[in-house]
Amino acid sequence: AQKITQTQPGMFVQEKEAVTLDCTYDTSDPSYGLFWYKQPSSGEMIFLIYQGSYDQQNATEGRYSLNFQKARKSANLVISASQLGDSAMYFCAMREGSLQGAQKLVFGQGTRLTINP
Amino acid sequence: EPEVTQTPSHQVTQMGQEVILRCVPISNHLYFYWYRQILGQKVEFLVSFYNNEISEKSEIFDDQFSVERPDGSNFTLKIRSTKLEDSAMYFCASSVWRGTEETQYFGPGTRLLVL
Repeated sequence: AQKITQTQPGMFVQEKEAVTLDCTYDTSDPSYGLFWYKQPSSGEMIFLIYQGSYDQQNATEGRYSLNFQKARKSANLVISASQLGDSAMYFCAMREGSLQGAQKLVFGQGTRLTINP
Repeated sequence: EPEVTQTPSHQVTQMGQEVILRCVPISNHLYFYWYRQILGQKVEFLVSFYNNEISEKSEIFDDQFSVERPDGSNFTLKIRSTKLEDSAMYFCASSVWRGTEETQYFGPGTRLLVL
């Protein structure tokens, strides 16, 4: 079974609009972390935002916020006031467990976001 | 701001040749990872490394792969005899735990092409 599902292969949005990228996850571990990374066409992976499973509040980082709905197992990324530079591939990822150690990330298939001028 | 660096940025090699991909993790990080991304596909975990030994490896990480931290700063991935299907972007990542939080920071990647 897929641990991370991103159902939108591509999205097109007008500049300055807000956009929501969907991510659902599957885990039986009560402790986990959810991440969003941005991958521009140059290929690097840029960390955007993190949400811990026990965090009471939705994470925010500048124009990025994470709409965390634990009961629905969803962790959607919201980008407010989109800019042309937001055009990129976006990956949702999950780390299971919160015991310190080297714990792998499991990634979704990604959503390609295109911002139109 | 400190960042993970990787060299080379691109490598082209012949099938059967050995390649070594190099990474310099962020200096106070303790956990190190290699991931790969075949063109157009999602990022896949290869191996994690802590305290000079492998913590976990995926089924992709077979006997052709090895990792090393030879000098306390570099972290290398060696592919002994490359295959066509090893062509991919290889990412190194490093992390440190702060309480119950850990964020993995990725390097810019090495794009490997096996001919």
